[in-house]
Amino acid sequence: QKEVEQDPGPLSVPEGAIVSLNCTYSNSAFQYFMWYRQYSRKGPELLMYTYSSGNKEDGRFTAQVDKSSKYISLFIRDSQPSDSATYLCAMRYNQGGKLIFGQGTELSVKP
Amino acid sequence: DTAVSQTPKYLVTQMGNDKSIKCEQNLGHDTMYWYKQDSKKFLKIMFSYNNKELIINETVPNRFSPKSPDKAHLNLHINSLELGDSAVYFCASSQQATNYGYTFGSGTRLTVV
Repeated sequence: QKEVEQDPGPLSVPEGAIVSLNCTYSNSAFQYFMWYRQYSRKGPELLMYTYSSGNKEDGRFTAQVDKSSKYISLFIRDSQPSDSATYLCAMRYNQGGKLIFGQGTELSVKP
Repeated sequence: DTAVSQTPKYLVTQMGNDKSIKCEQNLGHDTMYWYKQDSKKFLKIMFSYNNKELIINETVPNRFSPKSPDKAHLNLHINSLELGDSAVYFCASSQQATNYGYTFGSGTRLTVV
């Protein structure tokens, strides 16, 4: 079993839809949680960062962490075709530790 | 002005050859990484260097040898290339004592034929 599980999709939604992306993990020692966005043939770029449990909002993006359920989510409101990309969750145990990634969910937003 | 730059972007080579990938960062970060992304987009860490010192060495064949001449550079040399080495290799950097994530390069797409 992988430490971090993420449904690879693909997920296709119409423009303007609310998108929900999720990851589950097995090790309760994870403390730092991130979401990366990766466009085709590009490197991943950091989208959202959360420490421990709670919510964080940045524009149309909201990240949620539920440590009791070992479950993290990324919500995208009013999705746009430019949001079409692969979204990867990532987490680590401590500040200096290695990042462990989920497999990534491929999202397509249709105009 | 690219923050993390990798060369080459594409590499097609025959089985058995030896090749190198170079990475440079201009962010002033103290830690650099090599990740491998397979055809299913799964990103797996290979190595990490902090101030030129190897700190993470995952289960990677010893045909792969990283080298960090200084904290702004991290190179990856691969000996005796195999078909299974075909993947996209990403370099990344971070400042270890901070809470932030990594900054990735744009990747090197390696195809072994």
